[in-house]
Amino acid sequence: SHELTQPPSVSVSPGQTARITCSGDALSRQYAYWFQKKAGQAPVLMISKDIERPSGIPERFSGTTSGTTVTLTISGVQAEDEADYYCHSADTGGTYWVFGGGTRLTVL
Amino acid sequence: QLQVRESGPGLVKPSQTLSVTCTVSGASIDSPGNYWTWIRQSPGKGLEWIGNIYYSGLTYSSPSLQSRLIISLDTSKNQFSLQLNSVTAADTAVYYCTRTRGADGLDVWGQGTMVTVFS
Repeated sequence: SHELTQPPSVSVSPGQTARITCSGDALSRQYAYWFQKKAGQAPVLMISKDIERPSGIPERFSGTTSGTTVTLTISGVQAEDEADYYCHSADTGGTYWVFGGGTRLTVL
Repeated sequence: QLQVRESGPGLVKPSQTLSVTCTVSGASIDSPGNYWTWIRQSPGKGLEWIGNIYYSGLTYSSPSLQSRLIISLDTSKNQFSLQLNSVTAADTAVYYCTRTRGADGLDVWGQGTMVTVFS
């Protein structure tokens, strides 16, 4: 089965840079996507196809990829960025989808 | 503008069937390139992929759920649905319907519908 591994939590002070990693064997072959999830709200697509930022997403959010690890970087973190972040991808065949376990970003 | 909206029963008893419907507006559910997806989040847990149905009707489901799951399209109503049989408390969750177009990602989400399995 295909799994995606994220750190459970990341903490940063306002204005600093937050980096959230996601690792999985299939990430070298499949695109990764990042979602922001706040309590009581639907998830929001923040990064598409590893590195693309959908329309309306602030420029401080960026995605990078290296081998079997993808990284969501939030530059100049703001209080409103405090949320759970999930990576998402598919198995090597593209048939079965999966989410990472999620990372709680705390803005100190 | 494409929008999706879930509707569900709220409460379901253990061992019964959970049915949730997603109504699509702003696009035809059978337009080529669209993938319609169900995602859920149980209380205190992460996002879980349930399954996809493509504009053609082809479906793929989570291996952990596929023996209990049916995902279907109703083009006459521009809706897609999930049915999950033999539910337990572990199926209590907010159920979301979403859309992706090609490889663009899950870009349109409903607000979710909470379904509680409760005797």
